[in-house]
Parts: sequence; structure tokens; C-alpha cells
Amino acid sequence: QSALTQPASVSGSPGQSITISCTGTSSDVGGYNYVSWYQQHPGKAPKLMIYDVSNRPSGVPDRFSGSKSGNTASLTISGLQAEDEADYYCSSYTSSSHVVFGGGTKLTVL
Amino acid sequence: QVQLQESGPGLVKPSQTLSLTCTVSGGSISSGGYYWSWIRQHPGKGLEWIGYIYYSGSTYYNPSLKSRVTISVDTSKNQFSLKLSSVTAADTAVYYCARVGSSSGYYYEFQHWGQGTLVTVSS
Repeated sequence: QSALTQPASVSGSPGQSITISCTGTSSDVGGYNYVSWYQQHPGKAPKLMIYDVSNRPSGVPDRFSGSKSGNTASLTISGLQAEDEADYYCSSYTSSSHVVFGGGTKLTVL
Repeated sequence: QVQLQESGPGLVKPSQTLSLTCTVSGGSISSGGYYWSWIRQHPGKGLEWIGYIYYSGSTYYNPSLKSRVTISVDTSKNQFSLKLSSVTAADTAVYYCARVGSSSGYYYEFQHWGQGTLVTVSS
């Protein structure tokens, strides 16, 4: 299984919106509505931000939203804040009960 | 609130077996309803799923690592473990353990993570 494809970096100014894409195949992203997103600050463990494409766990701000079209899932962060600067990873359930992660995207808040 | 803590040697020699244990507190592995997973992150790189285990012992492994990986569970100690054999420098990484949940019957939501432990493979 190959890693899901994410842009290496994205940036935005405070208050703006950004979108991070996550492209897979019909065996993972395109085949299931089981995509999750993780936020990782330097030196810290990842934190679950989105699951089932667009659901937020309790405590995650509604500024974070997810969607999917075909083989590509997306994470949108609106009203960017300085604390959102982090690495973001997508993940998908795949056939045979496996899991695959994306390569990660570094978000810079300008 | 469930907490996970990795433990094990921080330095392993090439060709040897890497062994790590994850101790779970605040919840019982034997209660079921979750898978228990290992994930690693090479320095400065992305996340790589290694595999996961259910309390019953059912396991799933990343195909790229399957020939070298064994994940086991000890419900009496509320721990699960990772063994990775024949390690090389390419196995140097931060290793995380995590609890994997499901709201849909498909286990892929990494809900709780340990803090991670750096394992270096070097002679």
C-alpha cells in the first residue's frame, strides 16, 4: 500500500481559510468514507481532528471541517489562528482492514 | 481518560530485534471495542502504520513490514507489545502506540496516542 498524497506545505494568514488535499485510490480514500485527519505539533503526538471524512471529535473547534470527492479528501481550516500552525496528516481505512497515512502537510500561519 | 505509555530500549543494534511495550491506563484492553496499534515516524518524516491487535489476539499488519513484525497483547498486565526483527538504520524512528476506535465498524480512528519513544538502530 502506498502513502496517500498530500501537498508538502500550505500557508495562510490569520483569519483566512486553507484547504489541504489528500489523494488516494479506489482501494482506500475513494472506496470508503473512512478518512481521518490528525494535527501534530513539533515534538508532540498526533491528535485526531476529523473522522469519517467530516465528523469532529468532541473538543475540536468547528473551524476544522472535512470533505471528500472521489479519491481525494480535504481538510479545511477556516479563521486560521496561530495555534493551527502544525503538521497535518490524513489517514484512510483500506481493504483487508489496513490503514494508510498521508505523507503530511506543514501548515504555516503567516 | 485512557493513557498510553511506550517503554523499551532506545538503542538497538543492527540485525537485532526491536522490542517495545505499551502500557494502558484508564481503560481495560480486555473490555473490547478497540484495536491497539503501533505507528512509527522516521525523523522529519510522516506517519507509518505498523499494525494493530484486538484483545482476542487478532492482528493486522502493514504488508511492507509484515514479515518482520509481531504485535502481541497481555491483558493481565493491560499491555501490548511490538517486536520488529532484523532491524537496520532504516528502522530508526519515533514509535507510538495508540488506541484505535470505530464509529462505523471499521477500525482506523487513532483516538488516543502515547507520547512516543525514539528508537535508534546503531552499532
